[in-house]
Amino acid sequence: DAGVIQSPRHEVTEMGQEVTLRCKPISGHDYLFWYRQTMMRGLELLIYFNNNVPIDDSGMPEDRFSAKMPNASFSTLKIQPSEPRDSAVYFCASSLFFRTSLGEQYFGPGTRLTVT
Amino acid sequence: KQEVTQIPAALSVPEGENLVLNCSFTDSAIYNLQWFRQDPGKGLTSLLLIQSSQREQTSGRLNASLDKSSGRSTLYIAASQPGDSATYLCAVGGGSNYKLTFGKGTLLTVNP
Repeated sequence: DAGVIQSPRHEVTEMGQEVTLRCKPISGHDYLFWYRQTMMRGLELLIYFNNNVPIDDSGMPEDRFSAKMPNASFSTLKIQPSEPRDSAVYFCASSLFFRTSLGEQYFGPGTRLTVT
Repeated sequence: KQEVTQIPAALSVPEGENLVLNCSFTDSAIYNLQWFRQDPGKGLTSLLLIQSSQREQTSGRLNASLDKSSGRSTLYIAASQPGDSATYLCAVGGGSNYKLTFGKGTLLTVNP
């Protein structure tokens, strides 16, 4: 398997523009997570899905952030409008619930977002 | 709210040394604990996963232990190599959900 795939790897945009980050989880995984990493706050969970359904979005910082998972192989994280403080590395991760336990989370390479 | 602390923040050791990285968490009602490695500018690589019912896990030169009652985990690296240089992150899975709470990490440098 190619692992978790994220695109783009780097995104530079101007304040106020819409940004869309994309993720393809590992085939067969039924959990998908979106994280944000900054120097100040470390890694933070934004939202996670189970079988394409959002379960917990309490980590989404503001209404400017939204996430969707239209099918088992694709998810998007959208920021509209973007602000300089959104600059961070955004990671997508996926995992598989097996028998009675959630397995390891496998992370994608991340998207480095810079908002000027 | 779960808080995860990793000590030390940075560690520099000579090649060949055995070392221990520490992780502590405030809420013992955890689902699992996962150790990751992150290389500069890269994503996270899962090293070991310990379920709440387990005490330790081993993979090659790595051994992770879990003591839920005291809120602690350790990652033991045997015979360290320069290629082990990276940031090591500890993440705790919540008791009532599958959210991972991360520590800030330990930056390990293994000198040849």
